[in-house]
Amino acid sequence: ETGVTQSPTHLIKTRGQQVTLRCSSQSGHNTVSWYQQALGQGPQFIFQYYREEENGRGNFPPRFSGLQFPNYSSELNVNALELDDSALYLCASSLELAGAGHEQYFGPGTRLTVT
Amino acid sequence: RKEVEQDPGPFNVPEGATVAFNCTYSNSASQSFFWYRQDCRKEPKLLMSVYSSGNEDGRFTAQLNRASQYISLLIRDSKLSDSATYLCVVERGYQLIWGAGTKLIIKP
Repeated sequence: ETGVTQSPTHLIKTRGQQVTLRCSSQSGHNTVSWYQQALGQGPQFIFQYYREEENGRGNFPPRFSGLQFPNYSSELNVNALELDDSALYLCASSLELAGAGHEQYFGPGTRLTVT
Repeated sequence: RKEVEQDPGPFNVPEGATVAFNCTYSNSASQSFFWYRQDCRKEPKLLMSVYSSGNEDGRFTAQLNRASQYISLLIRDSKLSDSATYLCVVERGYQLIWGAGTKLIIKP
């Protein structure tokens, strides 16, 4: 196991609602990245947090926001949920910034269904 | 054209055979490359990083061809447990860009 945990495992929400997903990074890792993975697709980068600050964002609207805490755990918040937000949300931690060649280790994901 | 492209497969391969798949990328400035495997409805797991000189880990060999901008993964003596989707990952600045994956099915 990677030591990266996510909660909850599954979630069902209604369109228009808000959701918060949580991630605890592997011990010693200061970087957390969030991804959205739709069925049959590769993970799509949402954003990355490095030492409590957002350090890079993918092509996602502002209603996707995040936070990283002093212990390097992280939250992903999605407001005004849409049906297309239904996906597996993955959190990955790395020793340093992921783009610097550091390997990422994933949590088991949160499967979000929006109805 | 997608930034990272993979043949989606599936590759149906008999147990014990050797299988190889490629992944092409468009950003010539990329410096870091990885292969991950993902089992159905599970999270991706790091298989190996890909180094300029190529690298081997047991039955798995990864190669990088910068001139043609592709990376490859070779699996020798395939096992039933190798059945999974293999995802190619390419660094672009602060983020990692993922291919959609190649599905591999090993048959007894």
